[in-house]
Amino acid sequence: DAGITQSPRHKVTETGTPVTLRCHQTENHRYMYWYRQDPGHGLRLIHYSYGVKDTDKGEVSDGYSVSRSKTEDFLLTLESATSSQTSVYFCAISGGPNTEAFFGQGTRLTVV
Amino acid sequence: QQQVKQSPQSLIVQKGGISIINCAYENTAFDYFPWYQQFPGKGPALLIAIRPDVSEKKEGRFTISFNKSAKQFSLHIMDSQPGDSATYFCAASITGTRNKFYFGSGTKLNVKP
Repeated sequence: DAGITQSPRHKVTETGTPVTLRCHQTENHRYMYWYRQDPGHGLRLIHYSYGVKDTDKGEVSDGYSVSRSKTEDFLLTLESATSSQTSVYFCAISGGPNTEAFFGQGTRLTVV
Repeated sequence: QQQVKQSPQSLIVQKGGISIINCAYENTAFDYFPWYQQFPGKGPALLIAIRPDVSEKKEGRFTISFNKSAKQFSLHIMDSQPGDSATYFCAASITGTRNKFYFGSGTKLNVKP
């Protein structure tokens, strides 16, 4: 298995609170991604990174921010959590163009 | 607007049967088409992938058929087994766009014993 660790694996938080999810990789892969998975929508890209301090928005980036200060870590922050952000969040990594994306185990986030 | 459209949403197949999942895309710049398999509680994992210069790729019981003119590709699972029960996602990406993957909405496959 690719060395990807997501933390926490489960979290329940209240509406309006900030939340940070962490993705840590040991593969030294350049590309890192955050997806959310919701029934009927598949995997939707939130933000991605193509290098340290190089990030860009995906298709559902509103309400989310990211940071990548080291190759191995990619943080996803919900500035003020809302119930619509209840989802399963997956981090993925990839070594280069048109190469396999490896996914983490996911973080189940519930906003109450 | 979904870049990759996947059908059906769910599929029930008897053991030994053929499972077929279809995907369609509009952007002709896509040049890499992977399929991912996801078991409950796990992250998706690459199953098989194809590039548009070939029309078919086979790995064991899994085959991707690719129709460039129709902008469609499909996954065929031959001799389906209960252990194949999972959610399957098709995806597409474009070389040079910082490796962004666009995923279909997923197909939940249930193979009955």
